[in-house]
Amino acid sequence: NAGVTQTPKFRVLKTGQSMTLLCAQDMNHEYMYWYRQDPGMGLRLIHYSVGEGTTAKGEVPDGYNVSRLKKQNFLLGLESAAPSQTSVYFCASSYQPRTQYFGPGTRLTVT
Amino acid sequence: AQRVTQPEKLLSVFKGAPVELKCNYSYSGSPELFWYVQYSRQRLQLLLRHISRESIKGFTADLNKGETSFHLKKPFAQEEDSAMYYCALWGGATNKLIFGTGTLLAVQP
Repeated sequence: NAGVTQTPKFRVLKTGQSMTLLCAQDMNHEYMYWYRQDPGMGLRLIHYSVGEGTTAKGEVPDGYNVSRLKKQNFLLGLESAAPSQTSVYFCASSYQPRTQYFGPGTRLTVT
Repeated sequence: AQRVTQPEKLLSVFKGAPVELKCNYSYSGSPELFWYVQYSRQRLQLLLRHISRESIKGFTADLNKGETSFHLKKPFAQEEDSAMYYCALWGGATNKLIFGTGTLLAVQP
């Protein structure tokens, strides 16, 4: 099992550009999450999903959109990137929400 | 409000010294607490949960409801324990884990 994978690993965007981060899991988990990790701020939840076709806002959803069209995939979109979105993005999935399995992260820089 | 506080950004100890990583929480119900760890260049992973009352890699954590704390302890630190440690609180009906800001543990040789 690959577990939780994230694509891409690194990305540099210019302000105003758009991109989509892909999270995939092969553990048949219902729950999936997107976090951002910033120095001194820990992990903050952006959006999450409790099952295929569902999404919900987390703590810092502004500027991001998500989709969960397939159970194994959870996409995070940035429509118009801003320097404040420079961060490391982590995806996680879980069978039951308390024990989450994390991906390796995507390092995004917006210039 | 549901909140997790980790007051130390960095904790530096020498190999063989005891370690205590502090975590305090705010939660109105019966809390469920966890410690997650992120080693250098690795992904975040669950270390232990208070319900299991387990010891993983020599670490233990006891839930103290009176002090609303869930401190992580190890009697003798090893260099391989150097990592970022996150305390997390299960948010109940919100279906979310609430993470603290993390403590970087640096174990010096």
